[in-house]
Amino acid sequence: NAGVMQNPRHLVRRRGQEARLRCSPMKGHSHVYWYRQLPEEGLKFMVYLQKENIIDESGMPKERFSAEFPKEGPSILRIQQVVRGDSAAYFCASSLAGQSNEKLFFGSGTQLSVL
Amino acid sequence: AQSVTQLGSHVSVSEGALVLLRCNYSSSVPPYLFWYVQYPNQGLQLLLKYTSAATLVKGINGFEAEFKKSETSFHLTKPSAHMSDAAEYFCAVSEGIQGAQKLVFGQGTRLTINP
Repeated sequence: NAGVMQNPRHLVRRRGQEARLRCSPMKGHSHVYWYRQLPEEGLKFMVYLQKENIIDESGMPKERFSAEFPKEGPSILRIQQVVRGDSAAYFCASSLAGQSNEKLFFGSGTQLSVL
Repeated sequence: AQSVTQLGSHVSVSEGALVLLRCNYSSSVPPYLFWYVQYPNQGLQLLLKYTSAATLVKGINGFEAEFKKSETSFHLTKPSAHMSDAAEYFCAVSEGIQGAQKLVFGQGTRLTINP
């Protein structure tokens, strides 16, 4: 039973380019969360999605960032016109039922570097 | 809003010594509390969680944590450190909005084990 799969592991982009980060949740999980980890900081919640729905995007920057979780395929975190401040590790997590006391399963993350 | 403070960004102990990682939280409602561990180049793994049952929670790898409401604390301990415990540890509280698990993380404590 594969865990949460994220790809790519490392992504290098130049300023102004687009970054697409992919996340396949654990089998049977329909709740996906994206977190961002800046250097020397803890993880910060970005967005919570269920299939075809954004449930809570209160942690997403207002511009350039978007997320989706289509009926088929992985969840995608998209960053348009990247800037150096977007350099961070982006983690995806999934859960079975989306309950407050439930364990989250995390992927290994995508390290985004913006040159 | 809920918040988590981890006292000490770096903790160093000798192999075989007691491990104590401190975590204080603020929450206007009874919280769900978690400790996650992150090994280099990996995603977070759940060590243990408090969900309003027993105040002393036992987790994996010999770790445990005690929920103290009067002190708003959830410190993580292990009686005898092992070299394999070297990692970054994150305390987190669940905001639990609409039943969804949206974690607020502390900034992390990097644990180093000296031989």
